[in-house]
Amino acid sequence: QKEVEQNSGPLSVPEGAIASLNCTYSDRGSQSFFWYRQYSGKSPELIMSIYSNGDKEDGRFTAQLNKASQYVSLLIRDSQPSDSATYLCAALRDSNYQLIWGAGTKLIIKP
Amino acid sequence: DTGVSQDPRHKITKRGQNVTFRCDPISEHNRLYWYRQTLGQGPEFLTYFQNEAQLEKSRLLSDRFSAERPKGSFSTLEIQRTEQGDSAMYLCASSPGNGYEQYFGPGTRLTVT
Repeated sequence: QKEVEQNSGPLSVPEGAIASLNCTYSDRGSQSFFWYRQYSGKSPELIMSIYSNGDKEDGRFTAQLNKASQYVSLLIRDSQPSDSATYLCAALRDSNYQLIWGAGTKLIIKP
Repeated sequence: DTGVSQDPRHKITKRGQNVTFRCDPISEHNRLYWYRQTLGQGPEFLTYFQNEAQLEKSRLLSDRFSAERPKGSFSTLEIQRTEQGDSAMYLCASSPGNGYEQYFGPGTRLTVT
């Protein structure tokens, strides 16, 4: 079992709709979680960090964390074609500040 | 704040040659990380510095790989006797001492022919 798992997609969402991206993790000791966006051929760009159970909102993005279920999600409201990218979920290993990554979900926003 | 920079952005080398990459972190970020990423995969951790001390090195990293951060500012990653399997994007990230978010540079794409 991979430490961080994501559905590879592609996930296709109509423009203007809500895109929902999901991630599960296996290390119950992980406390910090991150969502990165990566365009093809580019490096990961930090979108959201979340450390506590519940929701965290930043503009059109909402991150959700459920530590009991070991589940992290990212919602993108009013999806735009420019949101089309691969979204990477990462969990922080507190012992060495190493990020443990999922393989990413490819999101396609259709105009 | 100019962000994390990496040099070169692209490197093509022949198998068996040595290559060196440079990373300049965000100023005053004391933690610096190197990752490697291949197509369709998430980044893979290589090594981590806190200031000038190399605190962690992946077991996946062979002896051909070495990294330094001599003055706690920029870092270099050297690959000796490159192999075709080393072809990947090499990513550098930094984070502040009082936070956990890691910020990535643009990466160095290595192609070994």
